[in-house]
Amino acid sequence: EPEVTQTPSHQVTQMGQEVILRCVPISNHLYFYWYRQILGQKVEFLVSFYNNEISEKSEIFDDQFSVERPDGSNFTLKIRSTKLEDSAMYFCASRRTGYQPQHFGDGTRLSIL
Amino acid sequence: ELKVEQNPLFLSMQEGKNYTIYCNYSTTSDRLYWYRQDPGKSLESLFVLLSNGAVKQEGRLMASLDTKARLSTLHITAAVHDLSATYFCAGVFNAGGTSYGKLTFGQGTILTVHP
Repeated sequence: EPEVTQTPSHQVTQMGQEVILRCVPISNHLYFYWYRQILGQKVEFLVSFYNNEISEKSEIFDDQFSVERPDGSNFTLKIRSTKLEDSAMYFCASRRTGYQPQHFGDGTRLSIL
Repeated sequence: ELKVEQNPLFLSMQEGKNYTIYCNYSTTSDRLYWYRQDPGKSLESLFVLLSNGAVKQEGRLMASLDTKARLSTLHITAAVHDLSATYFCAGVFNAGGTSYGKLTFGQGTILTVHP
């Protein structure tokens, strides 16, 4: 069964550095998402992406965050200048269309030192 | 804005027993999803509930939706250890415009099934 794949599985970065989290969504999916989950807390929406542009974003998704789909397969989340509070598990998800559920990747654990 | 609340947040069950997890949401939700998350792992889709009265079953799990009460339930029948995980409900809210499917999650219910 097709899967959403994310790399790296764990990223350790110094505060203030830039990080790029990478995702390969399922190939025939049209909607793409990033969520984050701080340890022990609920999953929070960051941003959705459709038709090569951001369709919706949360208050968390400020100017330090950006997303790109540079080619037909990759979907990236960039954090320009990381803060301690950015430490979390980041999940990429994709969805085909309609009411089908979102399929989640295994996540990238981001640790900011 | 959609708010989703689950209870209980922690559930310790004995094998063989039945129990229900409740998911309340604050405003009209287009659809309701249930996900399972094992520790350190991703979220696995369990059920999609689209309309009032919808009931879905898979093995020992059954999910239902009451849109008038803004309530979904996940019922566990004759629990087994393998069901130990965190269960999330999530809704999609369409504020009269185009919905791109943003999921609003509940806090999650940590289920532990004991022998």
